[in-house]
Amino acid sequence: GAVVSQHPSRVICKSGTSVKIECRSLDFQATTMFWYRQFPKQSLMLMATSNEGSKATYEQGVEKDKFLINHASLTLSTLTVTSAHPEDSSFYICSARVGEGQPQHFGDGTRLSIL
Amino acid sequence: GQNIDQPTEMTATEGAIVQINCTYQTSGFNGLFWYQQHAGEAPTFLSYNVLDGLEEKGRFSSFLSRSKGYSYLLLKELQMKDSASYLCAVIDSNYQLIWGAGTKLIIKP
Repeated sequence: GAVVSQHPSRVICKSGTSVKIECRSLDFQATTMFWYRQFPKQSLMLMATSNEGSKATYEQGVEKDKFLINHASLTLSTLTVTSAHPEDSSFYICSARVGEGQPQHFGDGTRLSIL
Repeated sequence: GQNIDQPTEMTATEGAIVQINCTYQTSGFNGLFWYQQHAGEAPTFLSYNVLDGLEEKGRFSSFLSRSKGYSYLLLKELQMKDSASYLCAVIDSNYQLIWGAGTKLIIKP
């Protein structure tokens, strides 16, 4: 149980392109989903927290107009990196949890490379 | 401030036992998680402790002492595939998840 699917697993695209990443909880309803970014050999960095039907809460330093998050249902959240640039190249990982105090379950991550 | 400390790197031998420690200072406590993360992959959930004591799950066990702000992850009968980073994370009083930086475990034959 507690499977989270993230798609696509890898994206390579040109600078200026917008990229959409999907995160789905397959066998449970996720009241909250999280988006992380991780650079090589560095710790997970929380970007934003999204609750179904409400606006995402962004961490300090994360541009909400650049990283658009939509949590349209209890099983789907999307992250759109708008007008991506090479410095946005990173490993993006989503997670989902059933409720407060419950573990976060992670998707497989999306490796984004902007040329 | 909120802080979670765990060793940066540890080395152990295949077949042996290793204990990875985690100490925390957070505003409140609502549980502690251990995750495993292989290089280039997303974290996977290993264990959850909210009460004091030892939770055993196969070769992996996790211990918690809330009064000491301390936990450890114990890995027995180490296998080469256990080479990974192990992340300690604490839920604070606001149900925010505070992450440690992770411990890179290197297993040698």
